[in-house]
Amino acid sequence: DGGITQSPKYLFRKEGQNVTLSCEQNLNHDAMYWYRQDPGQGLRLIYYSQIVNDFQKGDIAEGYSVSREKKESFPLTVTSAQKNPTAFYLCASSIGGELWSNQPQHFGDGTRLSIL
Amino acid sequence: DQQVKQNSPSLSVQEGRISILNCDYTNSMFDYFLWYKKYPAEGPTFLISISSIKDKNEDGRFTVFLNKSAKHLSLHIVPSQPGDSAVYFCAASRSHTGNQFYFGTGTSLTVIP
Repeated sequence: DGGITQSPKYLFRKEGQNVTLSCEQNLNHDAMYWYRQDPGQGLRLIYYSQIVNDFQKGDIAEGYSVSREKKESFPLTVTSAQKNPTAFYLCASSIGGELWSNQPQHFGDGTRLSIL
Repeated sequence: DQQVKQNSPSLSVQEGRISILNCDYTNSMFDYFLWYKKYPAEGPTFLISISSIKDKNEDGRFTVFLNKSAKHLSLHIVPSQPGDSAVYFCAASRSHTGNQFYFGTGTSLTVIP
C-alpha cells in the first residue's frame, strides 16, 4: 500500500535545538516537497527536490535545511535559526520526471512541531 | 503576498444540497488548478484538478469551474454529504516552472445532516 509516511506525528523542541522531521515515500516519485502550515494560512513551500541529490529553496527556506540522498527520503531539519518554528509541517511527493509540471502532489499526515 | 485566496473561511450546507466553494487568484500565468480536501490531523488529499484549456471538469459529485477572465475557480459538490465535512484548499501552479503550487487559506465546510 503506497504512501507517504511522516514521523513523528508530534514533536517538541527546546529553544536553541535543531530537530529533524522524517519523510519517507514508497510511491517511486522523483519529486518531494516540504510545506509549513500556520493557523489561518495556506501551505507555504519550504524546500523541494526534483531528483536525488538536488533540491531548491521555496518561499520560506530560512532557518531550514534538507537533504535528498535517497529517492525515498527527504528529511527536513528545523535549525535554531528558525525563529518561529511552531507549526504543522507537511511533506508531499509527485511523479516528477522530465515533464515535471501539472502533477498533483500527494501528502503525508504531517508533523506538529512545538517549542517547549 | 497571497496569490491564491479563499475569502470564505467557513461554509455550512444542509445534507443533499449543493456546496459551492470559491477561490480567486491574482497571477494570470497560473494554468493548472487543484482542489484538496483535508480532515483534522491528516494531510490534504487530492480531489480534482483543471487545466486552463478547460472551463469545467467533473468527477462524480465534484465539479470544478474555471473562469479565466475573472481569475476565479469554484468547486461544486452535489449532493453534499456529511462525510464531505472537511477543510478544502485550492491551489494553483504555472506550467514549465516546475511543480510549485500556491495554496489558498482553506474553507471549512460543514454538511449538516
